[in-house]
Amino acid sequence: AQSVTQPDARVTVSEGASLQLRCKYSYFGTPYLFWYVQYPRQGLQLLLKYYPGDPVVQGVNGFEAEFSKSNSSFHLRKASVHWSDWAVYFCASLSNYNVLYFGSGTKLTVEP
Amino acid sequence: EAAVTQSPRNKVAVTGGKVTLSCNQTNNHNNMYWYRQDTGHGLRLIHYSYGAGSTEKGDIPDGYKASRPSQENFSLILELATPSQTSVYFCASGDATGGPLYAEQFFGPGTRLTVL
Repeated sequence: AQSVTQPDARVTVSEGASLQLRCKYSYFGTPYLFWYVQYPRQGLQLLLKYYPGDPVVQGVNGFEAEFSKSNSSFHLRKASVHWSDWAVYFCASLSNYNVLYFGSGTKLTVEP
Repeated sequence: EAAVTQSPRNKVAVTGGKVTLSCNQTNNHNNMYWYRQDTGHGLRLIHYSYGAGSTEKGDIPDGYKASRPSQENFSLILELATPSQTSVYFCASGDATGGPLYAEQFFGPGTRLTVL
């Protein structure tokens, strides 16, 4: 069965520090993967998406993610975190029926 | 700019009552989706639609019905609301006619439903 796991429910980083949010997927075949961000009291917004090709995908606001088939992972990274990055981040996988399967989310807290 | 709106934004309902959540999109997307968001579960798919007149069951359809009367509108109906349906509900639209490369979903702002 298709699934997405985000093992870290909460991550805290200092402003200016680097960030990695983890995502593991389970899918037999070629996955199409997404990272979404949810700011407080808002809907989800797309950060970046992966389709077969270059394993490193660039997104908005300095975010990037790296796909690894051997590790079944699609981790999100940012070199220098800003306070405005305080949000919940969701990893998702696309099914054959154009339905997204979401992980449980990682809440990012940015300390000054 | 893609636009998905939801109404109401907040709703308090009584147990056993009927609740209708509405979603409108101006993206001319074929696909629309209803999710609920609960702490620890992320977003879970309730119902979705491939176009006007069609509805499909998602992962957690029990206790919910959906209606897609037009390309633009997609409603989620709770015929007999229960406290376990207290949650935040998100509507989304998407168009994958170009293949999965274009399968981005655009989300509304959410509806916070409390069932007492």
